[in-house]
Amino acid sequence: QVRLVQSGAEVKKPGAAVKISCKASGYTFTTYYMHWMRQAPGQGLEWMGVINPNTGSISYSQRFQGRVTMTRDTSTTTVYMELSSLRSDDSAVYFCARRDRDTYRSEYWGQGTLVTVSS
Amino acid sequence: EIVLTQSPGTLSLSPGERATLSCRANERVKNNYLAWFQQKPGQAPRLLIYGASSRATDIPDRFSGSGSGTDFTLTISRLEPEDFAVYYCHQYGDSPLTFGGGTRVDFK
Repeated sequence: QVRLVQSGAEVKKPGAAVKISCKASGYTFTTYYMHWMRQAPGQGLEWMGVINPNTGSISYSQRFQGRVTMTRDTSTTTVYMELSSLRSDDSAVYFCARRDRDTYRSEYWGQGTLVTVSS
Repeated sequence: EIVLTQSPGTLSLSPGERATLSCRANERVKNNYLAWFQQKPGQAPRLLIYGASSRATDIPDRFSGSGSGTDFTLTISRLEPEDFAVYYCHQYGDSPLTFGGGTRVDFK
């Protein structure tokens, strides 16, 4: 069965960077793009970008351009999202979500990683 | 970017009642790539509907989606206790992908 397992909660100081992992299993890793989204406390969902695990090509939301880096490691079937120059309003739960190849739907999500930015 | 406006913000209903949730886009959603998610506290969103009207895997048939272009609706025919949650619409036809602000369905 498809599983996306994310790394654990992080506490960071303003100005620091955070790197979150999302380990995929139960399917052919390189066949499906992976999105990253986030959700601030009590707020809605926000799309950050998407990576093609096969080629490594990426499309970022302009809102995060210059601060976000998405990578993948095909040997461990893991995608990573690094966000730098953290601010207090980056405190949120971050999710990875697999994009279906044919319908583009995002049916499978990781459990979420809470990032808290605080001095 | 495509802005999705959901209404109402909160829907107060009783189990067994019908819920009708609206999602309006400020421009046409390409290929009707419009999804609905359910989210409960502390959980990841759960996909209910994709392509405006297709139910996702194992989603009960009391959930249905309709609409096209800029106006979309999620209907829950008879609310079960486990359906009280927040619902988000989401367009994935254009970059950046965007989400609506959510509709909370709570107990009357």
